[in-house]
Amino acid sequence: DVVMTQSPLSLPVTPGEPASISCRSSQSLLHSNGYNYLDWYLQKSGQSPQLLIFLGSNRASGVPARFSGSGSGTDFTLRISRVEAEDVGVYYCMQALQSPRTFGQGTKLEIK
Amino acid sequence: QVQLVQSGAEVKKPGASVKVSCKASGYTFTSYAIHWVRQAPGQRLEWMGWINTGNGNTKYSQKFQGRVTFSRDTTASTVYLELSSLTSGDTAVYSCARERRADYSFDPWGQGTLVTVSS
Repeated sequence: DVVMTQSPLSLPVTPGEPASISCRSSQSLLHSNGYNYLDWYLQKSGQSPQLLIFLGSNRASGVPARFSGSGSGTDFTLRISRVEAEDVGVYYCMQALQSPRTFGQGTKLEIK
Repeated sequence: QVQLVQSGAEVKKPGASVKVSCKASGYTFTSYAIHWVRQAPGQRLEWMGWINTGNGNTKYSQKFQGRVTFSRDTTASTVYLELSSLTSGDTAVYSCARERRADYSFDPWGQGTLVTVSS
């Protein structure tokens, strides 16, 4: 199975400041078609996860432009340019290249 | 809008079985696969498997093989997860999620169903 490792696991951020979350996979997520099958999800308190980023760097519909994804192969990053209070929650990366699908441990973003 | 609505919370005794439903609306049910993911307290999200809603084919995580069954009712646009031989380790929130055909991401997710296994 592909092991997904996120860091940090806890991320206190001042509103208006940037934030960055790393996700590393034990195997390359780069398909021969040129796409990286890596997604980012946000799970707000009491809610189910919502898709933020797909194929490594594409924002899902309705996701604010302050969210961006980058990376390729085994090393990926989710960035928030200016954190807002509504961004609080747990962020997960998930690889969609192989079965079984596997998730990172989650990164809890909180407001300082 | 596209929506997945799950059945309510369940409390089961060890050794029992549980069946959770996931009702889809807002799209053609048989055109999209549905995956099941669970999250035990303090644990990361765990993929359980998926069902092809068109032909009913299933693929299960090895961890749950032999203990889990996915099924679907196309007339009701509903997918079911049945988990047997429950233990306290199965206490978790179980969520269904629709797989997008273009990129295999999960969107949307159901609201989750808490299954508590306790004697």
